[in-house]
Amino acid sequence: GQQVMQIPQYQHVQEGEDFTTYCNSSTTLSNIQWYKQRPGGHPVFLIQLVKSGEVKKQKRLTFQFGEAKKNSSLHITATQTTDVGTYFCAGASYDKVIFGPGTSLSVIP
Amino acid sequence: NAGVTQTPKFQVLKTGQSMTLQCAQDMNHEYMSWYRQDPGMGLRLIHYSVGAGITDQGEVPNGYNVSRSTTEDFPLRLLSAAPSQTSVYFCASAPVHSGNTIYFGEGSWLTVV
Repeated sequence: GQQVMQIPQYQHVQEGEDFTTYCNSSTTLSNIQWYKQRPGGHPVFLIQLVKSGEVKKQKRLTFQFGEAKKNSSLHITATQTTDVGTYFCAGASYDKVIFGPGTSLSVIP
Repeated sequence: NAGVTQTPKFQVLKTGQSMTLQCAQDMNHEYMSWYRQDPGMGLRLIHYSVGAGITDQGEVPNGYNVSRSTTEDFPLRLLSAAPSQTSVYFCASAPVHSGNTIYFGEGSWLTVV
């Protein structure tokens, strides 16, 4: 079945450093979504990418969708303590949405 | 704005007991799903539904049943609880299926002893 992988599993950065998490799917996706989950909370939608090669920005966050629609990345520029949490990618294929295992980000002030 | 409501928030069960996690959404969403979250495993899809009367299995369906008699409700039943089912459970909904933002409930923390 469809599998979604993410690396790294954990990332510890100094405040102000950049951060990137990578997502790979075993199958071609119709779209990819990114979610953020704060400790003790529930996942919250960040963005959806649909087109091959698409790049979207949200302030310090940059999201990319690969040309083959099987991989994606999330890059955070100049991390802040408010960025702490786990970032999940979710691959949509037909009627299922499968989540990756997430990347847990810690930011050291 | 209720959104997606899950109950109970916390539950302790004994091995072999059965229980139902309730989920309701007031956004008239067609798509509803249940995920479980375990450390290092991310969110794994248990069951999902693309509309009333329609359900299907996700990645980890064994030990769980669902039904979708109305658009609003999507209960998850544990038939005979096992310690391996100790987890955080999230109900989620979306306007249609995979092409839309998923809205999550606040989670149900289940411990099976």
